[in-house]
Amino acid sequence: GAVVSQHPSWVICKSGTSVKIECRSLDFQATTMFWYRQFPKQSLMLMATSNEGSKATYEQGVEKDKFLINHASLTLSTLTVTSAHPEDSSFYICSAIRTSGSPYEQYFGPGTRLTVT
Amino acid sequence: GENVEQHPSTLSVQEGDSAVIKCTYSDSASNYFPWYKQELGKGPQLIIDIRSNVGEKKDQRIAVTLNKTAKHFSLHITETQPEDSAVYFCAATTAAGNKLTFGGGTRVLVKP
Repeated sequence: GAVVSQHPSWVICKSGTSVKIECRSLDFQATTMFWYRQFPKQSLMLMATSNEGSKATYEQGVEKDKFLINHASLTLSTLTVTSAHPEDSSFYICSAIRTSGSPYEQYFGPGTRLTVT
Repeated sequence: GENVEQHPSTLSVQEGDSAVIKCTYSDSASNYFPWYKQELGKGPQLIIDIRSNVGEKKDQRIAVTLNKTAKHFSLHITETQPEDSAVYFCAATTAAGNKLTFGGGTRVLVKP
């Protein structure tokens, strides 16, 4: 149990376009989901905390108008990178906390590799 | 905010030997310390975690120790195998926001 999926697993888009990444908890409900960004050979950096039915909370330095997060249901959160540029190329990973489980354990998705050309 | 430092950044061990990774944290309020294994191109997988009310936890070849006074915790992998080769991340969080702060990662290579 506690499987988190992401779609797509990789995407290539042109500079200036927008791309949406989906994060789904497949076998549990998740009130809270997180979005991370990871550059090659670096650690995970938290971008934002997404709570179902409310606005996301962004970390300092993350542009909320550029990285739009929607958590419309207890099993789905989406991250939209708007007007993407090459510097947005990265590995985006989501995680989810079970609504009914430990408030500590985060279950991670497999990640989405975004390449902006 | 919380700051987590992890050492070493790379670790090469011979198959069968032990590997030890150490992390220190800054926020004394942190009370949950997970360890993740990340293989190339994949998301992190939780391998073991420890709460602040416990000093040590073991799961087969993997163990974690926590010293709250010194604010450091360590991952121990015994009898390493080639499939243990991966990047390992430590993290810390408090009950307040559930936000994980990750260490910089340790790239472990187990040589057959």
